[in-house]
Amino acid sequence: GQNIDQPTEMTATEGAIVQINCTYQTSGFNGLFWYQQHAGEAPTFLSYNVLDGLEEKGRFSSFLSRSKGYSYLLLKELQMKDSASYLCAVLDSNYQLIWGAGTKLIIKP
Amino acid sequence: GAVVSQHPSRVICKSGTSVKIECRSLDFQATTMFWYRQFPKQSLMLMATSNEGSKATYEQGVEKDKFLINHASLTLSTLTVTSAHPEDSSFYICSARDLGQDAYEQYFGPGTRLTVT
Repeated sequence: GQNIDQPTEMTATEGAIVQINCTYQTSGFNGLFWYQQHAGEAPTFLSYNVLDGLEEKGRFSSFLSRSKGYSYLLLKELQMKDSASYLCAVLDSNYQLIWGAGTKLIIKP
Repeated sequence: GAVVSQHPSRVICKSGTSVKIECRSLDFQATTMFWYRQFPKQSLMLMATSNEGSKATYEQGVEKDKFLINHASLTLSTLTVTSAHPEDSSFYICSARDLGQDAYEQYFGPGTRLTVT
């Protein structure tokens, strides 16, 4: 079956760095997405990786290793507004998005 | 660019009635639109995939006669929850894929919170 694993919840301190991991087992791979979702709102796009390596976009970076079925989202200089759920999703061989359950990130002052 | 709207944002209806939710891509043409449901503290659950001009493909366990999907144009898809019951209360989110893009990114609407009393 298809499976995406990410931690349920993480806590970090304002100004610090946090890494949210995602491992996947899917039928085929056409890219991996990270989305941010604030409570009661729809997800917003953060990043898309289809090749191995690190993609940096401001305070957020995303890494992919296809051979390991592994990705992480790195958030630097954490701000209180970064408190949200972070969803990992993989595009499978049918170009269907397979979603992880999301990681709730709690930022403390 | 790539804005998706949903209407209404919130709706309260009585058990047994039907509710229609609209999803529009405002500045692009969407070959494919997706309908998701999300219960509190859970992740997105794909309900169905709709392609313009053809019947929607429903995920296993989703009743197609209860959740009617119409994708009449490249910018509009509708989801009708028929004979709604309290257990249908949820956050319904649509997303759309841009016809002109290759990345298969899905652009999400703001969601519709449905409460069935």
